Amino acid sequence: GQNIDQPTEMTATEGAIVQINCTYQTSGFNGLFWYQQHAGEAPTFLSYNVLDGLEEKGRFSSFLSRSKGYSYLLLKELQMKDSASYLCAVRDKTDNYGQNFVFGPGTRLSVLP
Amino acid sequence: KAGVTQTPRYLIKTRGQQVTLSCSPISGHRSVSWYQQTPGQGLQFLFEYFSETQRNKGNFPGRFSGRQFSNSRSEMNVSTLELGDSALYLCASSLRWVDSPYGYTFGSGTRLTVV
Repeated sequence: GQNIDQPTEMTATEGAIVQINCTYQTSGFNGLFWYQQHAGEAPTFLSYNVLDGLEEKGRFSSFLSRSKGYSYLLLKELQMKDSASYLCAVRDKTDNYGQNFVFGPGTRLSVLP
Repeated sequence: KAGVTQTPRYLIKTRGQQVTLSCSPISGHRSVSWYQQTPGQGLQFLFEYFSETQRNKGNFPGRFSGRQFSNSRSEMNVSTLELGDSALYLCASSLRWVDSPYGYTFGSGTRLTVV
């Protein structure tokens, strides 16, 4: 089956660093994505990993270990506006052209002053 | 470049009725996927359309259906609405290039409430 796990909720302080973990078990793998979703809004793309290692994008970094079925999203210098849900999603190759995304339940991050 | 447009934004329907939701993808994107999002279940995949054909389908009953037009716009229909269908319905468009590093672009969603 396909399964993606993330912590349900996390709390951190403004200016701090927080790491959101994601573990996955999927029948196929063709990339792992992180999305940010503010309450009442659409998810927006944050990062993409397809090879093992760390991808850095400003205050946000994402890490992938395919052998361990593990990823994390690292947020540095937290700001109040980072309070949102963070969704981990695995793209599973369904056919030569297709793609199917499996989403985790999301981690609700609260940034406190 | 216009984003993904979903209409309507909010909808209130009565049990037993049917509803049609619309999604216009980003220009040039030919793949449209639909998701249901609820607090308890997270994002659940409904189906994907590409070139007017359903390519993938999630584990939802036959009351949920969709279609795609030649201009890539897509509609989703839910018949015989149930209270449990109350959710945020998200449309996502993509290039459907299997190695695309960009994944999906989501619309703002349609918030459906069934009373």
